Amino acid sequence: GNSVTQMEGPVTLSEEAFLTINCTYTATGYPSLFWYVQYPGEGLQLLLKATKADDKGSNKGFEATYRKETTSFHLEKGSVQVSDSAVYFCALSDPTGRRALTFGSGTRLQVQP
Amino acid sequence: NAGVTQTPKFRVLKTGQSMTLLCAQDMNHEYMYWYRQDPGMGLRLIHYSVGEGTTAKGEVPDGYNVSRLKKQNFLLGLESAAPSQTSVYFCASSYGGTGNTIYFGEGSWLTVV
Repeated sequence: GNSVTQMEGPVTLSEEAFLTINCTYTATGYPSLFWYVQYPGEGLQLLLKATKADDKGSNKGFEATYRKETTSFHLEKGSVQVSDSAVYFCALSDPTGRRALTFGSGTRLQVQP
Repeated sequence: NAGVTQTPKFRVLKTGQSMTLLCAQDMNHEYMYWYRQDPGMGLRLIHYSVGEGTTAKGEVPDGYNVSRLKKQNFLLGLESAAPSQTSVYFCASSYGGTGNTIYFGEGSWLTVV
């Protein structure tokens, strides 16, 4: 079946540091890949997505590239801010049928001033 | 600009009681989902629906029932609540196409004592 593995947190960084959160996946077919962000007490918001191999998703300074050869979708940001503190979820979408998301366990990011 | 709306937002139940969580979406989406979120486990799919009048089981359906009588609404029922069902519940919806964004509600916090 489908599965997503992402690095455990929490990840603690100083403001303006470089961020990488690793995500790898196992899936049949050609899934779409997503990063969602969850701020405290809120629901999940789409951060970025990529629907085919070599696509790069980007939003708010965050980037991730769909790497089919390494089955990875690592999230990066060049300079984090305190406001980026949140939980980040990597997910994949079934290419057929229910089209539901399979999530990783989430990575908590804490950015200190 | 409602999007996906869940009610209630908070609820405390006694073991054995029943309740229904209501999800409403105003985006004319075909697909709707119910997830639960538990610490360290990401989100897990409980049930889903690919259209009005249809429902199907996800990964963790035991102890829950659902109904989709109207396209815009997706109800999640707990017939006899158990402490193991203490969790945060998220409803989501999408158009269902490959790579389509799935939109989430703000969550319903349920405690079973």
